[in-house]
Amino acid sequence: QSALTQPASVSGSPGQSITISCTGTSSDVGYYDHVSWFQQHPGRAPKLLIYDVTKRPSRVSNRFSGSKSGNTASLTISGLQAEDEADYYCSSYARSDTYVFGPGTKVSVL
Amino acid sequence: EVQLVESGGGLVKPGGSLRLSCAVSASTLTDGFTFTDAWMSWARQAPGKGLEWVGRIKSKTDGGTTYYAAPVKGRFTISRDDSKNMLYLQMNSLKTEDTAVYYCTTDPATDWGQGTLVTVSS
Repeated sequence: QSALTQPASVSGSPGQSITISCTGTSSDVGYYDHVSWFQQHPGRAPKLLIYDVTKRPSRVSNRFSGSKSGNTASLTISGLQAEDEADYYCSSYARSDTYVFGPGTKVSVL
Repeated sequence: EVQLVESGGGLVKPGGSLRLSCAVSASTLTDGFTFTDAWMSWARQAPGKGLEWVGRIKSKTDGGTTYYAAPVKGRFTISRDDSKNMLYLQMNSLKTEDTAVYYCTTDPATDWGQGTLVTVSS
């Protein structure tokens, strides 16, 4: 059972914006600014989208953005595109030098 | 971009052992990545399930300390050979629930390998 919680699925129409939440506790998401977001297409390795809550690797589209409030982090995808249909996972640094992942959110583009 | 290539996966019986390897390389244009200074991690994904963090190892200059997720602590060991740019995951006392694709990643997980499948079954 994941220490973080995410919605099982989120959907949106092309061009819309959607937000995926990631809720943890005061021992992980709420305490550390080390939340990451990953995108995974079927049969492929995960790809880092966001790290340290809001930072985006240079090769990642600026349509992806991250934020955090209290024990909940969020990933927003703006200008939704068909290629964004994938599974999305959050991850947080936790106590004792460990990491925890969320259970994943399936994004569907209608 | 850092390239990571895992190997060593396969079919093993419950209670058995397996050692995974991860070869790490980087183009000369990669921003200052040197394996010797890198912290590295392993993650896994059971068939049809989500991602699970397995463990991490710090660079030797930072102490080379290892950390593990509770389900694998005491059974799995992460090590590194900086002279060969290699990362390892020694897995002992394997259980059926360890069946998964195992990924080698940089730490933070900017780069991932393609994964290697480990199947624990009698």
